[in-house]
Amino acid sequence: AQTVTQSQPEMSVQEAETVTLSCTYDTSESDYYLFWYKQPPSRQMILVIRQEAYKQQNATENRFSVNFQKAAKSFSLKISDSQLGDAAMYFCAIPYGKLTFGQGTILTVHP
Amino acid sequence: EAQVTQNPRYLITVTGKKLTVTCSQNMNHEYMSWYRQDPGLGLRQIYYSMNVEVTDKGDVPEGYKVSRKEKRNFPLILESPSPNQTSLYFCASSQGQGVGTEAFFGQGTRLTVV
Repeated sequence: AQTVTQSQPEMSVQEAETVTLSCTYDTSESDYYLFWYKQPPSRQMILVIRQEAYKQQNATENRFSVNFQKAAKSFSLKISDSQLGDAAMYFCAIPYGKLTFGQGTILTVHP
Repeated sequence: EAQVTQNPRYLITVTGKKLTVTCSQNMNHEYMSWYRQDPGLGLRQIYYSMNVEVTDKGDVPEGYKVSRKEKRNFPLILESPSPNQTSLYFCASSQGQGVGTEAFFGQGTRLTVV
């Protein structure tokens, strides 16, 4: 079984600055992925970035990047140059059969 | 356009009145599932289906039913809703259950049971 923990219920950032959202997980699998989903007020679930566990290089998608620490089972999301449109709930998840989600972090972006 | 369509988006009902939330996908996906989202708990799987006529319980199946008579449709049925089923519900579909497979989500159904 997998577990995912997001210990920051809420975070805030000033527009144009950088913010990091934390996620820790536990799994007994050796081959797995990790996802970050964004859920804006529209409620649409948007896959922001994914990381393959066997890849040492951290994934990057434009302003979004991850810091994947496999030994520590940590998978944080860094958002650079934050924009107002980044305001959303963010979920960390492990896709293994079903998706196992963390509790979510609400990100507020201040102009 | 590839999509998962849920209806309705909002629903207010009374305790005990049977209801169905519909879900349809146009991507020919094998795997479909239902999640509920609650504050502080994230999303939790209710039921899933690996193919037509094959369904199984997820983590929180009590009080729910599903059916998969056609590949594209996967309705969620609440036979006798109770206030603790007030939640935000999502249907999702994916090509399979393989490691790292991306799931596509519907727009969510906000259900309130009074």
